[in-house]
Amino acid sequence: NAGVTQTPKFRILKIGQSMTLQCTQDMNHNYMYWYRQDPGMGLKLIYYSVGAGITDKGEVPNGYNVSRSTTEDFPLRLELAAPSQTSVYFCASTLDTYTEAFFGQGTRLTVV
Amino acid sequence: KNEVEQSPQNLTAQEGEFITINCSYSVGISALHWLQQHPGGGIVSLFMLSSGKKKHGRLIATINIQEKHSSLHITASHPRDSAVYICASRPPPYGGSQGNLIFGKGTKLSVKP
Repeated sequence: NAGVTQTPKFRILKIGQSMTLQCTQDMNHNYMYWYRQDPGMGLKLIYYSVGAGITDKGEVPNGYNVSRSTTEDFPLRLELAAPSQTSVYFCASTLDTYTEAFFGQGTRLTVV
Repeated sequence: KNEVEQSPQNLTAQEGEFITINCSYSVGISALHWLQQHPGGGIVSLFMLSSGKKKHGRLIATINIQEKHSSLHITASHPRDSAVYICASRPPPYGGSQGNLIFGKGTKLSVKP
């Protein structure tokens, strides 16, 4: 039982490059989330999804896009990387809004 | 505005000490989560509670709904408990809220042998 799997673990991007952070869960959870964690700050919600085909913006969505074509996968796309997107990114999932959250191992992204 | 405040920000303890980390939140919740993050590692859920008290091994979490306050206690602390402990509140999914987690900034705990 893998839980929530994120790839890659580390990545260095140049300004203006694009990339996709992958997130997969095998728990048949309806809800999936992308967060960023900056030093000294609490996790901030980027985007979330309540089910396949449904996504919505969180607190800090600018510069990111998501899709949810299946229950299992919730990729996060950075189209034109900027230094302000240097952060640690976490994917998470829950069965619903009343249950425990499961997190991936995180992706440390540096934009130079 | 829904905010979550944790104290202290940093905590250093000697092995064996009893540790308390505090969390206050500003609006009503459907649940309060305590999470653990080891250096360079992922985030693991420790507790989810909406009332009373929960215990798992040497960890105890309590919540006072009226005072909007929760505490995480670690008994007989050990160096392997060194981590960042994060409190997160989940507001009810109505009244303008989507029920998404609101996170505190975390408490960095270091337990010395």
